[in-house]
Amino acid sequence: DADVTQTPRNRITKTGKRIMLECSQTKGHDRMYWYRQDPGLGLRLIYYSFDVKDINKGEISDGYSVSRQAQAKFSLSLESAIPNQTALYFCATSELLAGYNEQFFGPGTRLTVL
Amino acid sequence: QQQVKQSPQSLIVQKGGISIINCAYENTAFDYFPWYQQFPGKGPALLIAIRPDVSEKKEGRFTISFNKSAKQFSLHIMDSQPGDSATYFCAASMQEGAQKLVFGQGTRLTINP
Repeated sequence: DADVTQTPRNRITKTGKRIMLECSQTKGHDRMYWYRQDPGLGLRLIYYSFDVKDINKGEISDGYSVSRQAQAKFSLSLESAIPNQTALYFCATSELLAGYNEQFFGPGTRLTVL
Repeated sequence: QQQVKQSPQSLIVQKGGISIINCAYENTAFDYFPWYQQFPGKGPALLIAIRPDVSEKKEGRFTISFNKSAKQFSLHIMDSQPGDSATYFCAASMQEGAQKLVFGQGTRLTINP
């Protein structure tokens, strides 16, 4: 979706390197999320943010950190990348619609840690 | 602990057939059950969703069947087409609190022409 963009789309890095994945959105949504996708495991929530000052850990936050620079920008960092962080990473946004939480996903970043 | 369990992991259906993907959940507080569709190289996109106050929701060829007592819900794709080939994820959420989506493991669906 052009409304949610992720950079880079692909990244190969080495163990121990610091990596930042960036997400930007033009949908005007307050809520933003980072997920990782692994075969057979589905999508798992890493971090989520409901506004610039509200950041929360998801189910698999160890080894990751995030920064919400503005309403439209949410970055995910791997402080010291390790091979088991090789995965497809997705950013998503949402607003509260009639009490339910439809999420809009970006195109993903494929990260390989050697 | 996987709160939403999805099966099968992969499914092959002939064109024109019915594709059925099943999900089971554990938390009875869940009150929103969406299905997301993901094409290769793309992010997931909402396909259809249901609330537990109804047992079925239909949108075109896609139907969700919901069984509250069994804590199960399923996606049925009627007259399956090659363009339906994608990965499908079920999910669950609670209206109260943070409203986080909990996803199933995904099903890779292939429709053979």
